[in-house]
Amino acid sequence: KAGVTQTPRYLIKTRGQQVTLSCSPISGHRSVSWYQQTPGQGLQFLFEYFSETQRNKGNFPGRFSGRQFSNSRSEMNVSTLELGDSALYLCASSPRMGEYQETQYFGPGTRLLVL
Amino acid sequence: AQSVTQLGSHVSVSEGALVLLRCNYSSSVPPYLFWYVQYPNQGLQLLLKYTTGATLVKGINGFEAEFKKSETSFHLTKPSAHMSDAAEYFCAVSKDTGRRALTFGSGTRLQVQP
Repeated sequence: KAGVTQTPRYLIKTRGQQVTLSCSPISGHRSVSWYQQTPGQGLQFLFEYFSETQRNKGNFPGRFSGRQFSNSRSEMNVSTLELGDSALYLCASSPRMGEYQETQYFGPGTRLLVL
Repeated sequence: AQSVTQLGSHVSVSEGALVLLRCNYSSSVPPYLFWYVQYPNQGLQLLLKYTTGATLVKGINGFEAEFKKSETSFHLTKPSAHMSDAAEYFCAVSKDTGRRALTFGSGTRLQVQP
C-alpha cells in the first residue's frame, strides 16, 4: 500500500497570505489528523477528521481550519499567515476514529516558510 | 491532562553501545504509549507501542521499551547502536479522556559516533 502523501512538500508564503495543504491517507484509512511541528513548540495536535467531520481540535486559533472529503483526503488551510506559522505540518492517517491504541501513520510533511 | 517528558534533548553513543532514551508520562487514565522516530526531512515512523498486556514491548530495528506503571516510565532501549539509528526520537501518549490526539514529548536527538 502506498503511504500517506502530502502536497506540496515545500512552500514559501508571505505574511498575510493564506495557504492550503493537502493530505491523502493510506487507502482504506478514514481518519486523518494534522500536527504542527516547530523547534520551539515541538509537535502539537491541530485537528482530526473522520467521515468528513472534525472530531477533535487542538488549541490553535481559528485561522487554522481543515476539511475532509468523501474519499478521506483532507486539506488544511491557514489564513492570514504569521511568521510563527512557519513549521512542518504533518498529516497522519489511521483506519478508524476513537480507537486510542491504533497506530497513526504519518506522511513526510509539508514544510511551510512564512516570510 | 496527559503529558510526556523526555529527559535529554541530545544523546550521544558509540556504535555498538547501549541506547537508552528516557520517557516519563503523566496521565489521568491508563495510557497508551508510543515511540516514533523521525529521520531528517521525513515524517514520523512508529517504532513500537504499548496498549495493554505485556509490559515489555518489542519494536522494529531492534528497539524495545518497558512500561513501568510504578515509575510512570516508558524508556526506549537498543542493545547495540548502529550508525543508521541516528535520528530524532519522540515518545507520545494517547487516551486522555475524550481525545485521541497524540501528546508528544519534546524529542531526543540520538547521535551515533563511529
